[in-house]
Amino acid sequence: QQPVQSPQAVILREGEDAVINCSSSKALYSVHWYRQKHGEAPVFLMILLKGGEQKGHEKISASFNEKKQQSSLYLTASQLSYSGTYFCGTEIRGSGGYQKVTFGIGTKLQVIP
Amino acid sequence: NAGVTQTPKFRVLKTGQSMTLLCAQDMNHEYMYWYRQDPGMGLRLIHYSVGEGTTAKGEVPDGYNVSRLKKQNFLLGLESAAPSQTSVYFCASRSSYNEQFFGPGTRLTVL
Repeated sequence: QQPVQSPQAVILREGEDAVINCSSSKALYSVHWYRQKHGEAPVFLMILLKGGEQKGHEKISASFNEKKQQSSLYLTASQLSYSGTYFCGTEIRGSGGYQKVTFGIGTKLQVIP
Repeated sequence: NAGVTQTPKFRVLKTGQSMTLLCAQDMNHEYMYWYRQDPGMGLRLIHYSVGEGTTAKGEVPDGYNVSRLKKQNFLLGLESAAPSQTSVYFCASRSSYNEQFFGPGTRLTVL
């Protein structure tokens, strides 16, 4: 089951903030976040393993609400380099769910000057 | 340290032809994955492997076969290519810290 991401696309001016959401209909073991620039391979941002956990990387952070099976990626004071497509990937609890990461369709983010 | 490499980078096939995509990683990772990426569809898991000699089906396995005879290599085969298999194929390996490292991708066109 592919996780659902929202919004599908967003345009920001430099310095603005954005939130990208990811939700699943299944109980989650972990949530992964990746960014892909045009014509390139996806690059790992972070993984969240525990319910309610928040992790951060410079001005990009994320939260994971295990009970709601949701994760959110927070981009603060956006920079031009943040442009790209953001994917969440989920691992589902239960037999056969571990080790297999299923990605959403992505959120295209464009930061303009 | 090359990370994850994929061969070839580009390929054009005619319907019905066969081919093998090679993925190699030099990080000694146990887990490896094959994804396809199509516009508006995101990354979809084709097959994956949790160790040498093991493979498992992902979300869209039909029309593909895989083999993991050596830990560092993960092969994706198309026995009889169809236009619906036109896509960009990414291989990835996963570290013990759960980070997936993606290869540069193979752009495949089936005419």
